[in-house]
Amino acid sequence: SQTIHQWPATLVQPVGSPLSLECTVEGTSNPNLYWYRQAAGRGLQLLFYSVGIGQISSEVPQNLSASRPQDRQFILSSKKLLLSDSGFYLCAWSEAPTGTSYEQYFGPGTRLTVT
Amino acid sequence: SQQGEEDPQALSIQEGENATMNCSYKTSINNLQWYRQNSGRGLVHLILIRSNEREKHSGRLRVTLDTSKKSSSLLITASRAADTASYFCATAPLGSGNTGKLIFGQGTTLQVKP
Repeated sequence: SQTIHQWPATLVQPVGSPLSLECTVEGTSNPNLYWYRQAAGRGLQLLFYSVGIGQISSEVPQNLSASRPQDRQFILSSKKLLLSDSGFYLCAWSEAPTGTSYEQYFGPGTRLTVT
Repeated sequence: SQQGEEDPQALSIQEGENATMNCSYKTSINNLQWYRQNSGRGLVHLILIRSNEREKHSGRLRVTLDTSKKSSSLLITASRAADTASYFCATAPLGSGNTGKLIFGQGTTLQVKP
């Protein structure tokens, strides 16, 4: 069966520090991968998605970046965090769709607090 | 931009009652999905309804889709305290190709009192 891992679970970082959040998927090949951010009490904002190794699409311009160095590994990074980067970060995967979108499977999330 | 808008934003009911949540969206879609999120956790997929379907059932869940009104509803029958969570609709925009992108609404927070 497929599983998705995210770490760390919680993170407190000072403004201006770097960030690296990691997401890995097991039990599937060539998945589509997604990074979302969720503000408190709000819906999900799609940040990045990837349809293959090295292929990253950004949905929202900001000081975050994403990379996919391996088929089942997705990394969210920042060189310098802002207070506004605080939130709940969720990674998700789906089967590679053919013309439509399939259901997505989410990791447990990372709670990031920038102080 | 957020396409799905849920209504109501919050709902509080007694155990055993039915809970109905509504979702409206703006553009043409391939399918519409409903997800559940327990506090501080990731989302869990509940049900997917395709644009050519009008109603779908899964256990105590019933989803309807009206593409002419660009709206969907999620009905949870005989609710339980364990159903307490936030519920999100997500739309798969027509023409999203192989991206698999979904656009999530703001969610409905459901509280089921024992």
